Amino acid sequence: AQTVTQSQPEMSVQEAETVTLSCTYDTSESDYYLFWYKQPPSRQMILVIRQEAYKQQNATENRFSVNFQKAAKSFSLKISDSQLGDAAMYFCAYRSVLSGTYKYIFGTGTRLKVLA
Amino acid sequence: DAGITQSPRHKVTETGTPVTLRCHQTENHRYMYWYRQDPGHGLRLIHYSYGVKDTDKGEVSDGYSVSRSKTEDFLLTLESATSSQTSVYFCAISVMTGEADTQYFGPGTRLTVL
Repeated sequence: AQTVTQSQPEMSVQEAETVTLSCTYDTSESDYYLFWYKQPPSRQMILVIRQEAYKQQNATENRFSVNFQKAAKSFSLKISDSQLGDAAMYFCAYRSVLSGTYKYIFGTGTRLKVLA
Repeated sequence: DAGITQSPRHKVTETGTPVTLRCHQTENHRYMYWYRQDPGHGLRLIHYSYGVKDTDKGEVSDGYSVSRSKTEDFLLTLESATSSQTSVYFCAISVMTGEADTQYFGPGTRLTVL
């Protein structure tokens, strides 16, 4: 069974600085999707970024980018020029391509604090 | 906003009572999911549906049942609520974006079982 691990329960970053959140996963599959979701205090889950495993190029969305290391099964999220609004819980998620059920497996989350 | 609503948004109930949570979508997406979120556990899948009357269990399905009689509605029922089911419950749908799907979530329901 696949697993997703976020080993940093909490992190802090100074406003305008850069921070990297870690995520590792375990799978025997070669094709899958990876996601980062943000959950601000409002509790709404918001998609931040998506990466297809067959793509070697790292996904980027404005100030958010990933470092996808397929061999190492690592999928970290880099937030550049951190803003107060980036403070939230961040969840990493994995989806198998083979399962056919579109089920996601989530990590336990990393709480990001942004210091003014 | 993927047009997902959940009701109720907050509920307090007593142990042993039945509870039904409703998820409603406006865009006729095929796949719908129920998760629970607890500190230290992230989101865990309870049940999911891949069509009307087609449902299957997730990793934490004990004590829960679901029904989907219409494409737009996915109901989660706690037949006899227990304190261990105190949690925040999220509904999600899968939306095809490009080559793959992406899950979009409802606003969540905070359930407290006393």
